[in-house]
Amino acid sequence: DAGVIQSPRHEVTEMGQEVTLRCKPISGHDYLFWYRQTMMRGLELLIYFNNNVPIDDSGMPEDRFSAKMPNASFSNLKIQPSEPRDSAVYFCASSSLMGKTDTQYFGPGTRLTVL
Amino acid sequence: LAKTTQPISMDSYEGQEVNITCSHNNIATNDYITWYQQFPSQGPRFIIQGYKTKVTNEVASLFIPADRKSSTLSLPRVSLSDTAVYYCLVGEDSSYKLIFGSGTRLLVRP
Repeated sequence: DAGVIQSPRHEVTEMGQEVTLRCKPISGHDYLFWYRQTMMRGLELLIYFNNNVPIDDSGMPEDRFSAKMPNASFSNLKIQPSEPRDSAVYFCASSSLMGKTDTQYFGPGTRLTVL
Repeated sequence: LAKTTQPISMDSYEGQEVNITCSHNNIATNDYITWYQQFPSQGPRFIIQGYKTKVTNEVASLFIPADRKSSTLSLPRVSLSDTAVYYCLVGEDSSYKLIFGSGTRLLVRP
């Protein structure tokens, strides 16, 4: 398996523009997570899905952020409008409940810079 | 979810054994202890998970005392490539809500 795939790897945009980050989880995994990592706040969970349904979005910072998972093999995270404080590395991760293993597999991340 | 406390940074030399201790005084009965590793410009990677006593895999060992209020990740004979941030996490295996702290920055010197 190729692992969790994220695109783009780098994104530079201007304040006010819409940004879309994409994620393809590992095939067969039924949980998908979106994280944001910054120097100031560390690694934060934004939202996670189970079987394509959002379970907990309490980490989504505000209404400018939205995430969807239209099918088992794709999810996107949108920021509209983007602001400079949204600059961060955004990670997608997936996992599957197998016994008692709580292992999440992370993608390479998307480094977002909002000017 | 139980809060964890671990050293901000550690230094070591190649070939040494490194032990990183994590405190989790409020760990609940159903909580597991999990360690992740993160290299620069990469996402975190699962290293090891345990509930009690000792767990060992090809990468590391995890020591958990009887009261489970702390745990120690042991990396045998580290190399330069072990330079990374190591996160200790505590939570129920079914919660899937991992809370990452600030982690421990391990620097391995030649």
